[in-house]
Amino acid sequence: EVQLVESGGGLVQPGGSLRLSCVVSGFTFSSHWMHWVRQAPGKGLEWVATIKLDGSQKNYVDSVKGRFTISRDNAKNSLYLQMNSLRAEDTAVYHCARSNFAAYDWWGQGTLVTVSS
Amino acid sequence: DIVMTQSPLYLPVTPGEPASISCRSSQSLLHSSGYNYLDWYLQKPGQSPQLLIYFGSNRASGVPDRFSGSGSGTDFTLKISRVEAEDVGVYYCMQAIQVPITFGQGTRLEIK
Repeated sequence: EVQLVESGGGLVQPGGSLRLSCVVSGFTFSSHWMHWVRQAPGKGLEWVATIKLDGSQKNYVDSVKGRFTISRDNAKNSLYLQMNSLRAEDTAVYHCARSNFAAYDWWGQGTLVTVSS
Repeated sequence: DIVMTQSPLYLPVTPGEPASISCRSSQSLLHSSGYNYLDWYLQKPGQSPQLLIYFGSNRASGVPDRFSGSGSGTDFTLKISRVEAEDVGVYYCMQAIQVPITFGQGTRLEIK
């Protein structure tokens, strides 16, 4: 069974840092591009970042460039999102997602990040 | 950035009746491969989004055949032939042809 399980969310002050993790099982992790998508409270979905199979290509939404870093460890079946210089507008549930045929066919349950003083 | 525009944003439907959601993109989503890089997702209350349709018209695994997607280029439609109570939630279209990946605003489907 395919599973994606996020962790690492929590309450952090503006300017602080958090590292999100997504541990996957049930499929060959190294064969899929992986993504982070967030959803602010009561709002829609927003793509955050994407990483290629071997980590050689990474893309980010403009609002997080220079502050967030996506990475992966294929040996540990794990995806990460290092978030620095956090702002109130980064408050959201962060989902990891697997892509297949350019679509996100499996999603994790999400982890809540709250940026507040 | 490609802007995705959905309509309507709110869709009350009587069970058993059909429903239709439109999604328009500011640029063509037709890839050189011949596929439209347009997906549809449903986010049921309290759940993560789930994939319904990929490449504009292909049903994802396990998706009931009452769901269908159509369209090409910049105009796409998701149709539900007969709405059931379990179909409530927010429907999103998403373009995957170029970064940044962008979603529509979402269409909330509710049962009358």
